[in-house]
Amino acid sequence: DADVTQTPRNRITKTGKRIMLECSQTKGHDRMYWYRQDPGLGLRLIYYSFDVKDINKGEISDGYSVSRQAQAKFSLSLESAIPNQTALYFCATSVWDTNEQFFGPGTRLTVL
Amino acid sequence: LAKTTQPISMDSYEGQEVNITCSHNNIATNDYITWYQQFPSQGPRFIIQGYKTKVTNEVASLFIPADRKSSTLSLPRVSLSDTAVYYCLVGDDEGFQKLVFGTGTRLLVSP
Repeated sequence: DADVTQTPRNRITKTGKRIMLECSQTKGHDRMYWYRQDPGLGLRLIYYSFDVKDINKGEISDGYSVSRQAQAKFSLSLESAIPNQTALYFCATSVWDTNEQFFGPGTRLTVL
Repeated sequence: LAKTTQPISMDSYEGQEVNITCSHNNIATNDYITWYQQFPSQGPRFIIQGYKTKVTNEVASLFIPADRKSSTLSLPRVSLSDTAVYYCLVGDDEGFQKLVFGTGTRLLVSP
């Protein structure tokens, strides 16, 4: 969905490096989410934010941190990247009263 | 966390109706059941959502029995472009809409 953008789309980095993935949305939604997807598996929730002042850990938050800079921006950081964080990362948004989430195109991250 | 169980894969042919059933025994009273579709290397896309009985939109129908412990996504007359992974989701039991994705059902539509 073009209303949710992610940068970069692809990134290769080395073990130990700090990496930031960025997500921006023009949908005006309050809720934003970060997921990771490993090959052949479903998405797992890393962090979610219901508004600018609300940040919550998801299923697999260890090794990650987030920042909600504005309603439209939600960044995911890997403090010290490790190879098993190699995955496809998706950002998503939603309004408060529905399970319909709008996903970005994804960031493919490779940690060597 | 609420869990869902779906078949790992299904095969079909163009023009057939496909029904994918999902079990969700621990669904919370206020939770909705939501289905998503995902193509390779793309983010999931919302298909349909329902609470009980039957919901229909332009692409699919969703059947939910009275006990809500399962649901069935029905895709009428599938085409090759319906080949994708389909996820059944419910909110968890913590009282807010935090979606939990399972491994989904991989649907392969052949000519």
